Amino acid sequence: DSGVTQTPKHLITATGQRVTLRCSPRSGDLSVYWYQQSLDQGLQFLIHYYNGEERAKGNILERFSAQQFPDLHSELNLSSLELGDSALYFCASSVALGGSASGNTIYFGEGSWLTVV
Amino acid sequence: AQKVTQAQTEISVVEKEDVTLDCVYETRDTTYYLFWYKQPPSGELVFLIRRNSFDEQNEISGRYSWNFQKSTSSFNFTITASQVVDSAVYFCALSEASTDKLIFGTGTRLQVFP
Repeated sequence: DSGVTQTPKHLITATGQRVTLRCSPRSGDLSVYWYQQSLDQGLQFLIHYYNGEERAKGNILERFSAQQFPDLHSELNLSSLELGDSALYFCASSVALGGSASGNTIYFGEGSWLTVV
Repeated sequence: AQKVTQAQTEISVVEKEDVTLDCVYETRDTTYYLFWYKQPPSGELVFLIRRNSFDEQNEISGRYSWNFQKSTSSFNFTITASQVVDSAVYFCALSEASTDKLIFGTGTRLQVFP
């Protein structure tokens, strides 16, 4: 158990809908990351938050947004869903701002499986 | 540009065999970090090891060992006396000091048969 908690574990929704994925980082971790794992794109970095502020963006679509709240939990909002958004969405956390760039270990949650039908 | 290549898509072995998973990386940074993660069938990503670019010492943890060679830009992972529970997809990842994100390879699926 990495200590990173993600909900829901599985989600099936229709095209055009909106969903919210939730993440609670490990106790004491201030950095939260979101990654997407799909069959065609592999594991891709989406976005990084540190202590409530956005720090870096990766290949995140405009239809997707995220935020980190004062209690450090984070939410990833996916809207106008398309079939191609079906993927495993991971949240990860790290203790420091530098995260992997400073050699800190990034711990991943169990992921949220999203199926868009 | 940073890149991680795991050329082996799938490896099948019989229990108790040794197996090596290859990882080759590309980076222009002199300071970088390398990681291995395991993804069992249940889906979670489990951290295995982190290595920084200044530490080329090989590491052993039980049946697992890692060989980091800067000269060949490789960070290979060996499982000794493999077990069925080792069956999973293994990912190698790179993080440069200049960017705070993990670049993952495409993964190697290891199947260990009894």
